[in-house]
Parts: sequence; C-alpha cells; structure tokens
Amino acid sequence: NAGVTQTPKFQVLKTGQSMTLQCAQDMNHNSMYWYRQDPGMGLRLIYYSASEGTTDKGEVPNGYNVSRLNKREFSLRLESAAPSQTSVYFCASSEGYGGSAKNIQYFGAGTRLSVL
Amino acid sequence: RKEVEQDPGPFNVPEGATVAFNCTYSNSASQSFFWYRQDCRKEPKLLMSVYSSGNEDGRFTAQLNRASQYISLLIRDSKLSDSATYLCVVSGSARQLTFGSGTQLTVLP
Repeated sequence: NAGVTQTPKFQVLKTGQSMTLQCAQDMNHNSMYWYRQDPGMGLRLIYYSASEGTTDKGEVPNGYNVSRLNKREFSLRLESAAPSQTSVYFCASSEGYGGSAKNIQYFGAGTRLSVL
Repeated sequence: RKEVEQDPGPFNVPEGATVAFNCTYSNSASQSFFWYRQDCRKEPKLLMSVYSSGNEDGRFTAQLNRASQYISLLIRDSKLSDSATYLCVVSGSARQLTFGSGTQLTVLP
C-alpha cells in the first residue's frame, strides 16, 4: 500500500530558486494538506484542499502556491525560495474534512528542504 | 495563547513504567481529538482517536475532559518501542486540525 507519496525526499536550493513538491495519494481521499514542521513549532498548515477543485490558505501560506491537479495529486510550489523556508514538508490526505471524525489524516514521508 | 499546548518533555521512563501526557486546547468548539505518534525523522501516524467517554487500545488509554478542555494519554507497561514524540491533535478554529508541538518520550532499558 503506497498511501501518500511525496517527492523529492531531500532538496537543497539556493535563495531565489523555485521548485515544486509533489504529492499523490491512492486512498481515494477527498481532502489533502500541506504542512511544514520546524523544531519546537509543531506542524503548521500551509494550504489545504477540501475537495478536488478547491484550495484554501492555512496558517502560513506566504511564499507558497498550490495546485490540486486532480483528486489524487496536490502540489506545493515555492516560487522564490528563502532561507526561512528551510523545513520539513509533509503532505497529508483524509477522507473527511475539518472537524469531522473522518478527518483522520495520513501523512507522506516528508521532504527535507534546505534553502541556502 | 497556543491553540494546543503540550508539555514538551522529555519524559524518560524505565521499561514497564506507566506514563501520562496531558494536552490543553483553547477552542471550546473543537469536535475531533486525536493522538498521533511521530518517530524521529519520520511522518506522524495516528495512534488513536479520543472519544468523549474515553477509550482504550491495548496499553493506551485516552481521556477527554471538555469542561476543562484537556486531553490525556496514558501508556501502561511502557516498551522500548514506545519511544517517540506524541502529538496532541484537535480540530481547530478554522475547522482544520491543529497539532501540538509534541511530547518526547524515551523508554529506557
């Protein structure tokens, strides 16, 4: 069972470079999410997509864009990377959304990004 | 005030010990509660949902106190494999899930 697959696993960028993080899920989930995790800060929501065709900002959206390509795929783009975006990025998916008991989120293995 | 607060630890306990973690949340309208487990440099994984009446899964017991807005996780008979960071998760103000910063547990032989 693949579950949630993220690529790449590691990436080093220079300040100002752009890149796209890819995420795909094979669980037929409606909702997908992008988080970043920094030491001592916990997981913070960047963007989410409650259903195919919709995207919304989370807690820390500045400097990022997303695309819900289809029901399976949700990508995160950094247009001009900054050192403050050095972090571990996790993609997640869930059957339900928001406060629903079905909003059990399943995570990908993460992308470790360093911006120099 | 953070929406979800946890004692970061670390908690260092011997094998076989019982250990309890608490978590407080600020949004009284929160509806869903979970405990996730995260191993070092790995992704978070669901440990258990937390129900209003409390629930148990083997050695793990979760309790919810809505009046005081806190959630607890009790681990009995700790195993070395229980060493991880435990994340308290609550449906937040925007109806999305809000993750606590985690409590680190190390079970010592």
